[in-house]
Amino acid sequence: AQKITQTQPGMFVQEKEAVTLDCTYDTSDPSYGLFWYKQPSSGEMIFLIYQGSYDQQNATEGRYSLNFQKARKSANLVISASQLGDSAMYFCAMREGRNNNDMRFGAGTRLTVKP
Amino acid sequence: NAGVTQTPKFQVLKTGQSMTLQCAQDMNHNSMYWYRQDPGMGLRLIYYSASEGTTDKGEVPNGYNVSRLNKREFSLRLESAAPSQTSVYFCATRRDLYEQYFGPGTRLTVT
Repeated sequence: AQKITQTQPGMFVQEKEAVTLDCTYDTSDPSYGLFWYKQPSSGEMIFLIYQGSYDQQNATEGRYSLNFQKARKSANLVISASQLGDSAMYFCAMREGRNNNDMRFGAGTRLTVKP
Repeated sequence: NAGVTQTPKFQVLKTGQSMTLQCAQDMNHNSMYWYRQDPGMGLRLIYYSASEGTTDKGEVPNGYNVSRLNKREFSLRLESAAPSQTSVYFCATRRDLYEQYFGPGTRLTVT
């Protein structure tokens, strides 16, 4: 069964606007971590943000924030004030507590920022 | 401080050939991982090593073997390459519960 679902294959956003990338997950483990990674066209994987299942507040890192809705099992990434350099693939991932070496990734969303 | 390095960057193999992908890290992390990334998909875990001397299967281990040579190095071997193994391979290490640090990737084509 798919553990991480990203339903938006591609998204467009105007420069300086905010954009939300969707991610839903499936787990029965009460302990888990959710991650977002950015993959630019150069191919490297860049860690953006982390949210733990027991964290009370939504995670934020600069222009990135994670809209964590535990009951809905969603972990959407919000990028504020989009920049041209934000154009990339974005992957949502989850690691469950029972096997914290197995990280599962979604299929990704390709974000294009328009000038 | 190079972080995570992978060699080679690119490789073309014929079906049935063998090769080893090398990964090294200088961050003194215990955990190391091998992933593959196919077009239109996220990364999938092939094998991992939680510490020196241990290795375990991930989601897609068939057709691969690994060796954790020491704390720094974790290699991935394809004994008899198949076209289905055409992919981009990423090595990663983990410091703690949070981040994984990824290498630059190896683009492998099997013809």
